[in-house]
Amino acid sequence: DAKTTQPNSMESNEEEPVHLPCNHSTISGTDYIHWYRQLPSQGPEYVIHGLTSNVNNRMASLAIAEDRKSSTLILHRATLRDAAVYYCILRFGFGNEKLTFGTGTRLTIIP
Amino acid sequence: EAGVAQSPRYKIIEKRQSVAFWCNPISGHATLYWYQQILGQGPKLLIQFQNNGVVDDSQLPKDRFSAERLKGVDSTLKIQPAKLEDSAVYLCASSWGDGADTQYFGPGTRLTVL
Repeated sequence: DAKTTQPNSMESNEEEPVHLPCNHSTISGTDYIHWYRQLPSQGPEYVIHGLTSNVNNRMASLAIAEDRKSSTLILHRATLRDAAVYYCILRFGFGNEKLTFGTGTRLTIIP
Repeated sequence: EAGVAQSPRYKIIEKRQSVAFWCNPISGHATLYWYQQILGQGPKLLIQFQNNGVVDDSQLPKDRFSAERLKGVDSTLKIQPAKLEDSAVYLCASSWGDGADTQYFGPGTRLTVL
């Protein structure tokens, strides 16, 4: 399985943008980049995913480097409810390949 | 739309006892997953069902863990006998189709083995 590297923790001020990095230097051409987050005492929830182009949804934006060896999850205006562990996961785009979670980045939002 | 339901939310047992967890996936979701999350780690897949059939149980400790999904809907995960190292949160998730689809997680069951 291709691996991802994320910082263990990050802090950000409330109402400011947050950029969460993820390195995946061994990514293959068929791997999608998925982001899930886990709020305290809850199960993980899907945030966003992409293959090559940058992606936007109501929760976040995903910026993917041109060589695809890294990506950045962008929360445009962090709130206290965005405090969570964020997981960057590579996954083959088809079939039954499982989600393999690492330890993720623990994001703390400072009021 | 109702989410993934799990019960109980918390369970405390003595080692060597048995325990069972229940999961009701989102209506219409064909694929169901059980994960184990040990404190400080990310979730680890234990077993994946597609409808009634097992797709992946490679990381399920089959000497003590078992799971079933009757009629392709609800599922139960059982541990018998429990060990101290089984203390963890057990998460159930479901998705529409195969493993490439977005997974929706339940709140989990926190198991403490004393």
